Amino acid sequence: GNSVTQMEGPVTLSEEAFLTINCTYTATGYPSLFWYVQYPGEGLQLLLKATKADDKGSNKGFEATYRKETTSFHLEKGSVQVSDSAVYFCALFTGGGNKLTFGTGTQLKVEL
Amino acid sequence: DTAVSQTPKYLVTQMGNDKSIKCEQNLGHDTMYWYKQDSKKFLKIMFSYNNKELIINETVPNRFSPKSPDKAHLNLHINSLELGDSAVYFCASSQGDRGPKTEQYFGPGTRLTVT
Repeated sequence: GNSVTQMEGPVTLSEEAFLTINCTYTATGYPSLFWYVQYPGEGLQLLLKATKADDKGSNKGFEATYRKETTSFHLEKGSVQVSDSAVYFCALFTGGGNKLTFGTGTQLKVEL
Repeated sequence: DTAVSQTPKYLVTQMGNDKSIKCEQNLGHDTMYWYKQDSKKFLKIMFSYNNKELIINETVPNRFSPKSPDKAHLNLHINSLELGDSAVYFCASSQGDRGPKTEQYFGPGTRLTVT
C-alpha cells in the first residue's frame, strides 16, 4: 500500500535559519506529491506540488524536488520566518487509490 | 467568498448523542472528502464522493454516515457518539478524483469534543 514517512517534530529554528523537512514515500504506480501547511487553528492549505519525477514545486520561498530514485520529496526553505510556524504535511496521490495519503505531519516553530 | 465552508466550527456534545457536520463548497468541484485529524495531528481519509456517488469508504464505524444531497454539499452524520470520536473533522474538495486535477481544498475544520 501507499505510505508517507516524515521526520518527527517539533522542529525549532531561529528566524532566518535554513529549513529541511524530510519526506519519503512508498507507492504503487506514479504518485503526485504534495506539501500542505496547517497554521494554528486553521485547515490545510496546499503549499506546493510536483506531479512527475524531477519536477520541482515551489511557493512562498519553499521548494521540494520529486526524487524518484530516492523516493523522496524533502521540503526546504533558505530563510524561515516566525510566520512560517505551522504543521507541515507531506502527502501523495495515486489515481488508483483515489485518495491522498498523508504523513504524520511535522510541527515547525520559528523563534526570534 | 469562502471556498470550502463547514458548520459548526466547534461542537461539544455528550456520549450517545447524534450529531451532524455540514460542508459546502462553491468551487464547482465534483469530488468531496471527509478527513479525521486526531489529537496527534494525524490525518486520515474517511469518505470520498464523486458526483454524489460514494467512491472511498475507509474502515470507519457504520455510526458515521455521509450524505451528499448535491455536488456542492457533503454532510457527515454521526450516531451514538463515543469519546474516541473527539477529533477535528475536515471537509475537502477537488475538481476530479485523479490526475492533475486532484489538488484538494480544505475547509477550516470542525472540532468535535465528546464528553
